[in-house]
Amino acid sequence: DQQVKQNSPSLSVQEGRISILNCDYTNSMFDYFLWYKKYPAEGPTFLISISSIKDKNEDGRFTVFLNKSAKHLSLHIVPSQPGDSAVYFCAAKINTGTASKLTFGTGTRLQVTL
Amino acid sequence: KAGVTQTPRYLIKTRGQQVTLSCSPISGHRSVSWYQQTPGQGLQFLFEYFSETQRNKGNFPGRFSGRQFSNSRSEMNVSTLELGDSALYLCASSLEPLGAQYFGPGTRLLVL
Repeated sequence: DQQVKQNSPSLSVQEGRISILNCDYTNSMFDYFLWYKKYPAEGPTFLISISSIKDKNEDGRFTVFLNKSAKHLSLHIVPSQPGDSAVYFCAAKINTGTASKLTFGTGTRLQVTL
Repeated sequence: KAGVTQTPRYLIKTRGQQVTLSCSPISGHRSVSWYQQTPGQGLQFLFEYFSETQRNKGNFPGRFSGRQFSNSRSEMNVSTLELGDSALYLCASSLEPLGAQYFGPGTRLLVL
């Protein structure tokens, strides 16, 4: 049962344009969401997160939007740069106060072309 | 501050063998989580340790086990290896269970 879904396995965007990566979830108990970027042969790197009490969080070129009613979040990268080419994972967790289990999506491979 | 380190980086084993992977968290981080990454399944949560106690466990068979030491270093053991255990095993640490997790480079295990 895939509770966090990234339905687009890959995305190609031109340099300078906006990249939009999408993520859907099914468990309404998730209350904290994160995006990670992963280069080959490296571990995932934390990018940005959002709490369920917010609908938007911005950090430089990266903005995450959360639509709780639709159980949908998206990561916007503006402007996209070639160095952004990587696999992006969204992850979700339930803040139980005792554990930090992350449930990951299957990833979207972003290719930023010149 | 040094990042999360994992040893070994690459490992080749045969079916039926057992393997132990090691993870050293970022200094001061007490929470360590383990994940398995395979092409078809993405990142799957294995287990999490905090202050030497297993706090959470994913849906993996009992062949997968782990432990955490008093210095927060963690080991993961897989017994009776199967071909399907071939994967990238990632360790992540955080300051506290609810904090942002920082990942190591992973150990790539190949079971022949």
